Amino acid sequence: KAGVTQTPRYLIKTRGQQVTLSCSPISGHRSVSWYQQTPGQGLQFLFEYFSETQRNKGNFPGRFSGRQFSNSRSEMNVSTLELGDSALYLCASSLRPDSNQPQHFGDGTRLSIL
Amino acid sequence: AQKVTQAQTEISVVEKEDVTLDCVYETRDTTYYLFWYKQPPSGELVFLIRRNSFDEQNEISGRYSWNFQKSTSSFNFTITASQVVDSAVYFCALSELVGYQKVTFGTGTKLQVIP
Repeated sequence: KAGVTQTPRYLIKTRGQQVTLSCSPISGHRSVSWYQQTPGQGLQFLFEYFSETQRNKGNFPGRFSGRQFSNSRSEMNVSTLELGDSALYLCASSLRPDSNQPQHFGDGTRLSIL
Repeated sequence: AQKVTQAQTEISVVEKEDVTLDCVYETRDTTYYLFWYKQPPSGELVFLIRRNSFDEQNEISGRYSWNFQKSTSSFNFTITASQVVDSAVYFCALSELVGYQKVTFGTGTKLQVIP
Protein backbone atom coordinates (compact mmCIF):
# COMPACT_ATOMS: atom_id res chain seq x y z
CA LYS A 1 0.00 0.00 0.00
CA ALA A 2 1.56 3.27 -1.10
CA GLY A 3 2.13 5.83 1.62
CA VAL A 4 1.41 9.52 1.61
CA THR A 5 3.14 11.11 -1.37
CA GLN A 6 4.23 14.70 -1.36
CA THR A 7 5.60 16.51 -4.36
CA PRO A 8 7.97 18.07 -4.95
CA ARG A 9 10.46 16.96 -2.30
CA TYR A 10 12.51 20.13 -2.58
CA LEU A 11 11.67 23.56 -3.88
CA ILE A 12 13.54 26.83 -4.09
CA LYS A 13 11.67 30.07 -4.61
CA THR A 14 12.35 33.76 -4.22
CA ARG A 15 10.50 36.31 -2.12
CA GLY A 16 7.25 37.47 -3.62
CA GLN A 17 6.65 34.34 -5.66
CA GLN A 18 3.93 31.84 -5.00
CA VAL A 19 4.15 28.09 -4.62
CA THR A 20 1.84 25.09 -4.77
CA LEU A 21 2.59 21.88 -2.92
CA SER A 22 0.82 18.62 -3.57
CA CYS A 23 -0.18 15.73 -1.33
CA SER A 24 -1.64 12.40 -2.37
CA PRO A 25 -3.06 10.56 0.63
CA ILE A 26 -3.02 6.85 1.23
CA SER A 27 -5.66 5.17 -0.89
CA GLY A 28 -8.97 5.27 0.92
CA HIS A 29 -7.95 8.07 3.26
CA ARG A 30 -10.22 11.06 2.97
CA SER A 31 -8.81 13.38 5.60
CA VAL A 32 -5.70 15.40 4.81
CA SER A 33 -3.88 17.76 7.13
CA TRP A 34 -0.97 20.08 6.53
CA TYR A 35 1.76 21.11 8.96
CA GLN A 36 4.67 23.52 8.81
CA GLN A 37 7.92 22.68 10.56
CA THR A 38 10.59 25.32 11.18
CA PRO A 39 13.53 25.41 13.58
CA GLY A 40 12.09 28.45 15.31
CA GLN A 41 8.40 27.61 15.59
CA GLY A 42 8.54 23.83 15.54
CA LEU A 43 5.63 21.87 14.13
CA GLN A 44 2.49 23.89 13.57
CA PHE A 45 -0.89 22.86 12.23
CA LEU A 46 -1.89 24.64 9.03
CA PHE A 47 -5.24 23.21 7.99
CA GLU A 48 -7.28 20.07 7.58
CA TYR A 49 -9.51 18.97 4.73
CA PHE A 50 -12.19 16.35 4.52
CA SER A 51 -14.58 15.77 1.65
CA GLU A 52 -13.21 18.80 -0.17
CA THR A 53 -14.04 21.06 2.78
CA GLN A 54 -11.66 22.83 5.11
CA ARG A 55 -12.62 21.72 8.60
CA ASN A 56 -9.94 23.34 10.71
CA LYS A 57 -7.39 26.05 10.22
CA GLY A 58 -4.35 26.96 12.23
CA ASN A 59 -3.07 30.41 13.03
CA PHE A 60 -1.55 31.35 9.68
CA PRO A 61 -2.11 34.40 7.47
CA GLY A 62 -4.37 34.32 4.47
CA ARG A 63 -1.36 33.86 2.18
CA PHE A 64 -1.59 30.21 3.12
CA SER A 65 -4.47 28.40 1.48
CA GLY A 66 -5.36 24.94 0.40
CA ARG A 67 -7.90 22.77 -1.25
CA GLN A 68 -8.88 19.16 -1.60
CA PHE A 69 -10.09 17.44 -4.72
CA SER A 70 -12.74 14.81 -5.12
CA ASN A 71 -10.09 12.08 -5.16
CA SER A 72 -8.88 13.36 -1.75
CA ARG A 73 -5.63 14.71 -3.13
CA SER A 74 -4.80 18.03 -1.62
CA GLU A 75 -2.78 21.07 -2.55
CA MET A 76 -1.60 23.94 -0.46
CA ASN A 77 -0.65 27.29 -1.86
CA VAL A 78 1.47 30.04 -0.40
CA SER A 79 1.38 33.41 -2.11
CA THR A 80 3.75 36.36 -1.80
CA LEU A 81 6.44 34.20 -0.27
CA GLU A 82 8.49 35.55 2.62
CA LEU A 83 11.83 34.39 3.92
CA GLY A 84 10.11 33.06 7.01
CA ASP A 85 8.10 30.64 4.91
CA SER A 86 11.20 28.51 4.47
CA ALA A 87 10.21 25.28 6.15
CA LEU A 88 9.46 21.62 5.85
CA TYR A 89 5.79 21.22 4.92
CA LEU A 90 4.31 17.94 6.00
CA CYS A 91 1.08 16.38 4.86
CA ALA A 92 -0.74 13.69 6.80
CA SER A 93 -3.72 11.56 5.91
CA SER A 94 -6.17 9.44 7.83
CA LEU A 95 -9.34 7.58 7.03
CA ARG A 96 -11.65 10.19 8.52
CA PRO A 97 -11.16 13.25 10.69
CA ASP A 98 -12.42 11.52 13.77
CA SER A 99 -11.33 8.03 12.95
CA ASN A 100 -9.57 5.78 15.39
CA GLN A 101 -6.80 5.36 12.90
CA PRO A 102 -3.64 7.43 13.29
CA GLN A 103 -2.38 9.98 10.84
CA HIS A 104 0.21 8.85 8.33
CA PHE A 105 2.75 11.43 7.29
CA GLY A 106 4.51 11.98 4.00
CA ASP A 107 8.21 12.74 3.68
CA GLY A 108 7.49 16.42 3.33
CA THR A 109 8.35 19.18 0.91
CA ARG A 110 11.32 21.28 1.90
CA LEU A 111 10.73 24.84 0.73
CA SER A 112 13.59 27.30 0.68
CA ILE A 113 13.01 30.98 0.04
CA LEU A 114 15.92 33.04 -1.25
CA ALA B 1 -5.58 27.15 24.35
CA GLN B 2 -3.64 23.96 24.21
CA LYS B 3 0.05 23.72 25.02
CA VAL B 4 2.57 20.92 25.08
CA THR B 5 5.89 21.30 26.88
CA GLN B 6 8.88 19.09 26.30
CA ALA B 7 11.43 20.59 28.63
CA GLN B 8 14.28 18.35 27.50
CA THR B 9 15.73 19.82 24.34
CA GLU B 10 18.45 17.23 23.83
CA ILE B 11 19.35 13.99 25.58
CA SER B 12 22.37 11.79 25.02
CA VAL B 13 22.55 8.26 26.35
CA VAL B 14 24.87 5.37 25.83
CA GLU B 15 23.44 2.40 24.01
CA LYS B 16 21.52 -0.02 26.24
CA GLU B 17 20.68 2.66 28.78
CA ASP B 18 17.05 3.41 29.56
CA VAL B 19 15.82 6.91 28.80
CA THR B 20 12.62 8.78 29.64
CA LEU B 21 11.31 11.65 27.57
CA ASP B 22 9.06 14.03 29.47
CA CYS B 23 5.87 15.62 28.20
CA VAL B 24 3.58 17.98 30.10
CA TYR B 25 0.45 19.36 28.52
CA GLU B 26 -2.19 21.99 29.15
CA THR B 27 -5.73 21.93 27.87
CA ARG B 28 -9.14 23.15 28.92
CA ASP B 29 -10.77 20.21 27.20
CA THR B 30 -11.91 17.38 29.43
CA THR B 31 -11.49 14.92 26.59
CA TYR B 32 -8.48 14.89 24.33
CA TYR B 33 -5.89 12.74 22.60
CA LEU B 34 -2.19 12.56 23.35
CA PHE B 35 0.40 11.35 20.86
CA TRP B 36 4.04 10.56 20.51
CA TYR B 37 5.79 10.80 17.15
CA LYS B 38 9.33 10.00 16.11
CA GLN B 39 11.18 12.00 13.47
CA PRO B 40 14.41 10.29 12.38
CA PRO B 41 17.09 12.23 10.51
CA SER B 42 15.41 11.37 7.22
CA GLY B 43 12.60 13.73 8.17
CA GLU B 44 9.37 11.77 8.04
CA LEU B 45 7.14 11.74 11.08
CA VAL B 46 6.38 8.29 12.41
CA PHE B 47 3.36 7.73 14.60
CA LEU B 48 4.19 5.84 17.81
CA ILE B 49 1.13 5.98 20.02
CA ARG B 50 -2.18 7.69 20.60
CA ARG B 51 -3.86 7.75 23.98
CA ASN B 52 -7.25 9.22 24.75
CA SER B 53 -7.88 11.04 27.99
CA PHE B 54 -10.33 8.39 29.18
CA ASP B 55 -7.67 5.74 29.34
CA GLU B 56 -4.94 6.24 31.93
CA GLN B 57 -3.64 2.73 31.64
CA ASN B 58 0.05 2.62 30.92
CA GLU B 59 1.12 0.94 27.74
CA ILE B 60 4.12 -1.13 26.78
CA SER B 61 5.13 -1.98 23.24
CA GLY B 62 8.40 -3.83 23.05
CA ARG B 63 11.11 -1.53 24.35
CA TYR B 64 8.72 1.42 24.44
CA SER B 65 6.43 2.31 27.32
CA TRP B 66 4.22 5.25 28.08
CA ASN B 67 3.13 6.62 31.44
CA PHE B 68 -0.01 8.76 31.29
CA GLN B 69 -0.88 10.63 34.49
CA LYS B 70 -3.87 12.88 34.17
CA SER B 71 -3.38 14.26 37.69
CA THR B 72 -0.07 15.80 36.70
CA SER B 73 -0.95 16.36 33.02
CA SER B 74 1.99 14.29 31.92
CA PHE B 75 2.50 11.70 29.23
CA ASN B 76 6.05 10.43 29.51
CA PHE B 77 7.77 8.05 27.13
CA THR B 78 10.44 5.55 28.17
CA ILE B 79 12.75 3.63 25.88
CA THR B 80 14.31 0.62 27.54
CA ALA B 81 17.71 -0.66 26.44
CA SER B 82 18.14 2.13 23.92
CA GLN B 83 19.64 1.44 20.51
CA VAL B 84 21.41 3.64 17.99
CA VAL B 85 18.36 3.41 15.72
CA ASP B 86 16.37 5.17 18.41
CA SER B 87 18.30 8.37 17.67
CA ALA B 88 15.71 10.85 16.47
CA VAL B 89 13.64 13.81 17.52
CA TYR B 90 10.60 12.77 19.50
CA PHE B 91 7.48 14.90 19.58
CA CYS B 92 4.67 14.79 22.07
CA ALA B 93 1.36 16.17 20.82
CA LEU B 94 -2.18 16.93 21.95
CA SER B 95 -5.43 17.24 20.07
CA GLU B 96 -9.10 17.71 20.59
CA LEU B 97 -11.04 14.49 20.83
CA VAL B 98 -13.43 15.61 18.13
CA GLY B 99 -11.76 16.86 15.01
CA TYR B 100 -8.53 15.54 16.32
CA GLN B 101 -6.51 16.42 13.31
CA LYS B 102 -5.85 19.87 14.77
CA VAL B 103 -2.80 18.79 16.68
CA THR B 104 -0.61 20.89 18.95
CA PHE B 105 2.97 19.68 19.06
CA GLY B 106 5.67 20.11 21.65
CA THR B 107 9.01 21.46 20.57
CA GLY B 108 10.54 18.01 20.48
CA THR B 109 13.33 16.22 22.31
CA LYS B 110 16.37 15.23 20.31
CA LEU B 111 17.64 11.87 21.49
CA GLN B 112 21.12 10.75 20.62
CA VAL B 113 22.06 7.20 21.42
CA ILE B 114 25.82 6.74 21.46
CA PRO B 115 27.19 3.33 20.56
